Amino acid sequence: AQKITQTQPGMFVQEKEAVTLDCTYDTSDPSYGLFWYKQPSSGEMIFLIYQGSYDQQNATEGRYSLNFQKARKSANLVISASQLGDSAMYFCAMRGSSNTGKLIFGQGTTLQVKP
Amino acid sequence: NAGVMQNPRHLVRRRGQEARLRCSPMKGHSHVYWYRQLPEEGLKFMVYLQKENIIDESGMPKERFSAEFPKEGPSILRIQQVVRGDSAAYFCASSQLAGETYTGELFFGEGSRLTVL
Repeated sequence: AQKITQTQPGMFVQEKEAVTLDCTYDTSDPSYGLFWYKQPSSGEMIFLIYQGSYDQQNATEGRYSLNFQKARKSANLVISASQLGDSAMYFCAMRGSSNTGKLIFGQGTTLQVKP
Repeated sequence: NAGVMQNPRHLVRRRGQEARLRCSPMKGHSHVYWYRQLPEEGLKFMVYLQKENIIDESGMPKERFSAEFPKEGPSILRIQQVVRGDSAAYFCASSQLAGETYTGELFFGEGSRLTVL
């Protein structure tokens, strides 16, 4: 069975500093994908970044990067130069080898950026 | 380009009534997914549909819940005889591709928040 674990219910970071949000996963599928989504207080789900299991390099999208350590089964999100607008809930998610939009989500981490 | 459109954004129902939630996928997208988010939890997959077909309904409760994606019109998630435990945010997502060509592009709507009194 597939599983996503986010062990940090809440995190604080000072504005302009970097922060790492942890995500570990478990799957027996040889091919899978890992996602991070942001959910601000307004409730919408915003796609941030995607990493395929066979991608050679860690994914990056602007201030977001994914620290993918396949042997450790971890896919941590790194946000550089935090901004006040980064305060939100962050979800890690995984899809399996079915290769569809059927995702398994973690419990989420609430990030608060302090001025 | 319009994104994934969900309506209503907020819906209040009394116990025993029916709730209908609509989702129009992004233009050109033929794969639709419904997710449910209970308070303080992550999203849970419910059902995956293509036009006129249910592909995977492994996350749907066995009773009272149904979903469709007709040839014309939006996808509908229907909850009959709602109970308080159905109070949640229901998200629709769409993608253009699936299978070997799928690269992870999955777009979510803003969600429909159902409150059962």
